[in-house]
Amino acid sequence: NAGVTQTPKFQVLKTGQSMTLQCAQDMNHEYMSWYRQDPGMGLRLIHYSVGAGITDQGEVPNGYNVSRSTTEDFPLRLLSAAPSQTSVYFCASQVRGVGNEQFFGPGTRLTVL
Amino acid sequence: RKEVEQDPGPFNVPEGATVAFNCTYSNSASQSFFWYRQDCRKEPKLLMSVYSSGNEDGRFTAQLNRASQYISLLIRDSKLSDSATYLCVVNEKAYNTDKLIFGTGTRLQVFP
Repeated sequence: NAGVTQTPKFQVLKTGQSMTLQCAQDMNHEYMSWYRQDPGMGLRLIHYSVGAGITDQGEVPNGYNVSRSTTEDFPLRLLSAAPSQTSVYFCASQVRGVGNEQFFGPGTRLTVL
Repeated sequence: RKEVEQDPGPFNVPEGATVAFNCTYSNSASQSFFWYRQDCRKEPKLLMSVYSSGNEDGRFTAQLNRASQYISLLIRDSKLSDSATYLCVVNEKAYNTDKLIFGTGTRLQVFP
């Protein structure tokens, strides 16, 4: 099993550009989520999905869109990049239910100029 | 008040030392608790879950105090390889899903 994979690993964007961060998991997990991690802030939830076709907003959803057409894939779209979106983005998946481990992808380091 | 609070450190300790981290949480309805480990520029990985009765995994011991709303992690006989950031994570059930709240992490540096 590859676990949770993310592409790209690094990305530099100019303000106003759009792009999609890819996330895939091969563990048949229902629950997937996107976080951003900034210095001194901890991981903050952007969007999450409890299954194919179902998505919902997390703590910091503005400026991001998601879709979940399959169980495996959960892409994150930046609509119009802003310097405030410079961050490290982690995708995670888990079996639904309290107490279950979240598995994280390796992260995407995004810089917006 | 932050939902999950940790001392950011760094804790600088020699090999072989015992070190303890605490974490406090604000929501008394929180349902489950974890410690994750994050190496520099890597993704977080589960270190251990924290049970009401406390639990131990080798050199690592986790405790939960629901009355005072804190959890702790004790590392005995520290190794150089224990150097990392330790994230306290609390699971709050929200609507139809689980909501994980992450602390900002406590950095541990073990020196020879």
